[in-house]
Amino acid sequence: GESVGLHLPTLSVQEGDNSIINCAYSNSASDYFIWYKQESGKGPQFIIDIRSNMDKRQGQRVTVLLNKTVKHLSLQIAATQPGDSAVYFCAEKSGSARQLTFGSGTQLTVLP
Amino acid sequence: DAGITQSPRHKVTETGTPVTLRCHQTENHRYMYWYRQDPGHGLRLIHYSYGVKDTDKGEVSDGYSVSRSKTEDFLLTLESATSSQTSVYFCAISGGGNEQFFGPGTRLTVL
Repeated sequence: GESVGLHLPTLSVQEGDNSIINCAYSNSASDYFIWYKQESGKGPQFIIDIRSNMDKRQGQRVTVLLNKTVKHLSLQIAATQPGDSAVYFCAEKSGSARQLTFGSGTQLTVLP
Repeated sequence: DAGITQSPRHKVTETGTPVTLRCHQTENHRYMYWYRQDPGHGLRLIHYSYGVKDTDKGEVSDGYSVSRSKTEDFLLTLESATSSQTSVYFCAISGGGNEQFFGPGTRLTVL
């Protein structure tokens, strides 16, 4: 079946460095992708999204890159801060009613 | 946070008892979703609604039912709770775009 997965379950970075979180997807027909951040004990929080007709989209300190050739999505966080420590999920739009299929998540830890 | 609340936030119940979780939104969004989150599985869709009285099944709907009698409320019912339904349950809403906004979650333990 179709799936969205993450390359690495955990990622540790030094404060101030850039972080890159990767995601592979298998549904070549997906036309929308989204990244969420989830802090411990809280619900997922929207970070940034991208449509399949784009290769790159930038937000505040975050950039999402989409490579449709290899079906790969990445989230780049610039100048990573302690508050960025969380689990990050990618998701793709699937089916009707704007359903999203989520990956299993990557735990980002920011080291002092 | 988007105007989403979930109740209760924590519940402990026994196997075989009925349980109802409530999601309430103040955004007047059309779409509402129920997910469960378990270690190693990420978020999995249980049921969703695309309007009042319009609902459909998601990936893991067995053992769950939903109702939506008003735009603002989406109820998730476990008719007879089982230990495999111990999980964290999240409600989400979606309006004009594709993004979904999540509530704070309900931690359910079935003993």
